[in-house]
Amino acid sequence: QVQLVQSGGAVVQPGGSLRLSCAASGFTFSNSALHWVRQAPVKGLEWLAVISYDGSHQYSADSVKGRFTISRDNSKNTLFLQMNSLRPEDTAVYYCARDHGNYIFRNGLDVWGQGTTVTVSS
Amino acid sequence: DIQMTQSPSSLSASVGDRVTITCRASQNINKYLNWYQQKPGKAPKLLIYAASTLQSGVPSRFSGRRSGTEFTLTINSLQPEDFATYYCQQSYSTPDTFGRGTKLEIK
Repeated sequence: QVQLVQSGGAVVQPGGSLRLSCAASGFTFSNSALHWVRQAPVKGLEWLAVISYDGSHQYSADSVKGRFTISRDNSKNTLFLQMNSLRPEDTAVYYCARDHGNYIFRNGLDVWGQGTTVTVSS
Repeated sequence: DIQMTQSPSSLSASVGDRVTITCRASQNINKYLNWYQQKPGKAPKLLIYAASTLQSGVPSRFSGRRSGTEFTLTINSLQPEDFATYYCQQSYSTPDTFGRGTKLEIK
């Protein structure tokens, strides 16, 4: 069964750090470009970052650049999002997702994790 | 960054109706436009990619079209399970921006 299973969401204080994980199964993880997307409460989808199949290329949205880092461990079939200097406006459900295409020719996100909630509050 | 202007923001329709949602890109994105459906508390689901290609398993009542920088998602003969929020997303150039969404409600 093709799936992404997320973990790591929590309540964290402003300025704190958190690492989200996304474990893949049922497909060849090391061939896939992967993304992070978030959704603030009662808001739309916000694209955050993408990483190439081998981790050699990444791109992050300006809203998180310099604070969040996307990475992967192909030996463990796991994607990560390291989140530092967290702000209240980072409160959201975070999703990992697989690209239907590849890093260069991206063709939609066809497999999604279940989402994990991050709350930034004192 | 490429801006995606999605309209309408909400839409009321009845079972059996045909509805169309539009997304306009702020610049050329070729065919790199994707459509998603999201239900409350669930992850989005890919419906259409590359502007008009139906994702595997998606019913044929969903269709997508491109005209320049304007893209449309059409749902023919609405079913009860189609009432949800729909998003467009461009994947031509990072950041891969989403539209603001269209909430489709039962009339």
